[in-house]
Amino acid sequence: DAEITQSPRHKITETGRQVTLACHQTWNHNNMFWYRQDLGHGLRLIHYSYGVQDTNKGEVSDGYSVSRSNTEDLPLTLESAASSQTSVYFCASSESIRGPQHFGDGTRLSIL
Amino acid sequence: DQQVKQNSPSLSVQEGRISILNCDYTNSMFDYFLWYKKYPAEGPTFLISISSIKDKNEDGRFTVFLNKSAKHLSLHIVPSQPGDSAVYFCAASEPGNQFYFGTGTSLTVIP
Repeated sequence: DAEITQSPRHKITETGRQVTLACHQTWNHNNMFWYRQDLGHGLRLIHYSYGVQDTNKGEVSDGYSVSRSNTEDLPLTLESAASSQTSVYFCASSESIRGPQHFGDGTRLSIL
Repeated sequence: DQQVKQNSPSLSVQEGRISILNCDYTNSMFDYFLWYKKYPAEGPTFLISISSIKDKNEDGRFTVFLNKSAKHLSLHIVPSQPGDSAVYFCAASEPGNQFYFGTGTSLTVIP
């Protein structure tokens, strides 16, 4: 069965460190998305990609970057982690740009 | 500013009764709406969608209603089952643009 997996599931790091969260999907979807979930805000879009070598900024992209070198993976990098980036991060993919998205199970990131 | 709002953080319903989850939006350009269900420690899963050319869409026990003039949509679950206990998110988008999510409503179905 096709799936979307995120790793690690939990991570604790220190402010100022670079952190990369992995997202791998076997749906063969061109469209991939990164969200963060925070209390009182729901899910907010960080970055998204509509295909290889395509990346776009979402609503809350400051301090984050992504790269898309193949169809399956969209890693999310925090260049210099800040305590405000403590959150639960979800990766998603979809067959069509505005279609229903398949989500991974999330990465809980704590920045101390 | 939150463009999609779910004003009820939580809802409790007896098993077998109807659950009604509400969602309001502010952007009149939104024309496509989705509902997702989320269990703890899992990602959201797609439940049902509706486009603005319709005012109702049904899928089994789940029905979504859209009132464009009021900028309001609701998800009805009939009959509610204990396995429906989860957090429900609505999401909305306008053509060519991202989805905006609400803050979620935690539904508890009491056996």
